[in-house]
Parts: sequence; C-alpha cells; structure tokens
Amino acid sequence: QLQLQESGSGLVKPSQTLSLTCAVSGGSISSGGYSWSWIRQPPGKGLEWIGYIYHSGSTYYNPSLKSRVTISVDRSKNQFSLKLSSVTAADTAVYYCARVSGPDGMDVWGQGTTVTVSS
Amino acid sequence: QSVLTQPPSASGTPGQRVTISCSGSSSNIGSNYVYWYQQLPGTAPKLLIYRNNQRPSGVPDRFSGSKSGTSASLAISGLRSEDEADYYCAAWDDSLSGPWVFGGGTKLTVL
Repeated sequence: QLQLQESGSGLVKPSQTLSLTCAVSGGSISSGGYSWSWIRQPPGKGLEWIGYIYHSGSTYYNPSLKSRVTISVDRSKNQFSLKLSSVTAADTAVYYCARVSGPDGMDVWGQGTTVTVSS
Repeated sequence: QSVLTQPPSASGTPGQRVTISCSGSSSNIGSNYVYWYQQLPGTAPKLLIYRNNQRPSGVPDRFSGSKSGTSASLAISGLRSEDEADYYCAAWDDSLSGPWVFGGGTKLTVL
C-alpha cells in the first residue's frame, strides 16, 4: 500500500523559503505513469493546487505561484520536495503531497503538514 | 476566487438524497474529466469519484458522479451521519489557470 508522508519546517519567517519533503513508501517514485503533486489549504479555506513533477522530471506549476515554486525529485531517497520562496502570511496553510495517477486523479494523499509564516 | 464554482453549503437528513453541483467552463469541465474529493474534519482529502463517474475501490455506491456540458454533480443517496464533510470538485484545465483547478468546496451537513 503506497503511503506518503510530509515533513519540513513548520514555522517560516516572512521573505524566507519554505521547504517541505514528501517521503514515498510502499512503491517507487520512479514508476511510470504517475506524477507527484503538492496541494495546500489555508486555514478555513479550500484546496489550491501548487504543482507537480512527472516521473520523467518535467514540472508543471500553478501560474499564480510559478515564479516562487520549485518541485524536485530525489530518486535515491524515494522522495520529492517543494520549495516556495519569498513567503508571506498568505502562504500559511496545511500542505499536502499526493500521487496523481494520470486520468485517475490524485488517488493517494499524505496526511498534511501545517506551515505557519510568522516572524 | 475558485475557477470551479460550488455552493458553499448543502444539507440533508439521514436517508435522503443530496446533490452538490460544480460549474466550470469549456477549458476545464467542458473538455476534461471531473473528480470529487471528500474531506472529513481534520483529515486529508480522499478521492471519491474519478473520470466523471467512476468510484475507487472501497467507495460505497451511494456516491455517484455525473457531468453535462460545463457542469458536474455529485449525488449522495441514503445519506448517513458519517457523510458530513467538505466536498471538492476538481478538473484539469487547458487554459492559463491550470493544469489542475479545484472548486471552493461544499460543506455538507447531515441534520
């Protein structure tokens, strides 16, 4: 059974870079046909897709965040990462990682990790 | 402002059938699959419907999805107290909003 687990800094100062990692267990991140995504949810609000990386390494980002987002894969550790630069209070949210199974959607999700942007 | 539009709330009594709508455009729902996610309080979203009307293994057949034009709906029949949750629609978007877009979510209350 594939499982995803987010980890990273829970408190980030304004203007700094948020860094999160999603560890994949029970399967290989290099398996073809999947992409690996980040989604966030501000307190009391809805879901916002951040971006994803294909097994090939190609990346796609939300246009509204594109200038600040980097998603990468570390195949040796079977994990993928999110970096979001120049954060503000508006980036405070629960951040989820998820597997995207092509047309079958985001079928496996991590439990989420809370990130607060505050000085 | 979400790209896909959902009613903020819905409600029903146990045993009832409720529907939640999701409205989009030709660049998303009109030309791509629709997905529905259920988020129980304090938990991560869970895939409920994929490819417009398909249920993942383990999802009860009380949940069904449909799509027509640029709109989609999630129907829940035989409503149960454990169905009280937030429901989100999502779709791939071919425009500059995408690739993935979500609805703002609908909070379902079981009275």
